[in-house]
Amino acid sequence: GAGVSQSPSNKVTEKGKDVELRCDPISGHTALYWYRQSLGQGLEFLIYFQGNSAPDKSGLPSDRFSAERTGGSVSTLTIQRTQQEDSAVYLCASSLMIAEQYFGPGTRLTVT
Amino acid sequence: AQSVAQPEDQVNVAEGNPLTVKCTYSVSGNPYLFWYVQYPNRGLQFLLKYITGDNLVKGSYGFEAEFNKSQTSFHLKKPSALVSDSALYFCAVRDGRLTGGGNKLTFGTGTQLKVEL
Repeated sequence: GAGVSQSPSNKVTEKGKDVELRCDPISGHTALYWYRQSLGQGLEFLIYFQGNSAPDKSGLPSDRFSAERTGGSVSTLTIQRTQQEDSAVYLCASSLMIAEQYFGPGTRLTVT
Repeated sequence: AQSVAQPEDQVNVAEGNPLTVKCTYSVSGNPYLFWYVQYPNRGLQFLLKYITGDNLVKGSYGFEAEFNKSQTSFHLKKPSALVSDSALYFCAVRDGRLTGGGNKLTFGTGTQLKVEL
């Protein structure tokens, strides 16, 4: 069956511009997560959506970062006024309630 | 707070030899433990998990992991390594309490496994 998909696969943007990253989770998965993987770093949790509950935004590094999940399915991560330190691979994952998370291929963001 | 330590940045092993990738964790409640593998320019692939039950968990591609509560460890093992196992391996933990713990995974920094002929 279809896995988690993310678009675009690569994004190059100029410092100061806004970017939107999209995630399509596995159909039926109630939970959706965003992580960031920087070069030489592990995975950093950003935000977590579970059903209709308020999202857990505790990992967002600044107020330039926001995310929404429409209709309990597709999610968009928005980074406003991008900075060079935002350059990373942004990974989306989805899961059933307490099960393992399944990851998408990621979006590689480069801020020049 | 929950945390994961992977003490080795890289593990080198000869093909056909057994391999171990180490992981220790810290969590308030009962741990839910996971191993993921990442191949170059790919997302993470789920290998195996420990939730409850037998301490020895078997997963994909011949990998297994042993949960040791007293040592707070969850080491990944394989009896006979293949060159194709070369990849970046991540251990992850979440708090097993459903209330307040959420489903957020905390990952280790990863261990690069290199299997050579």
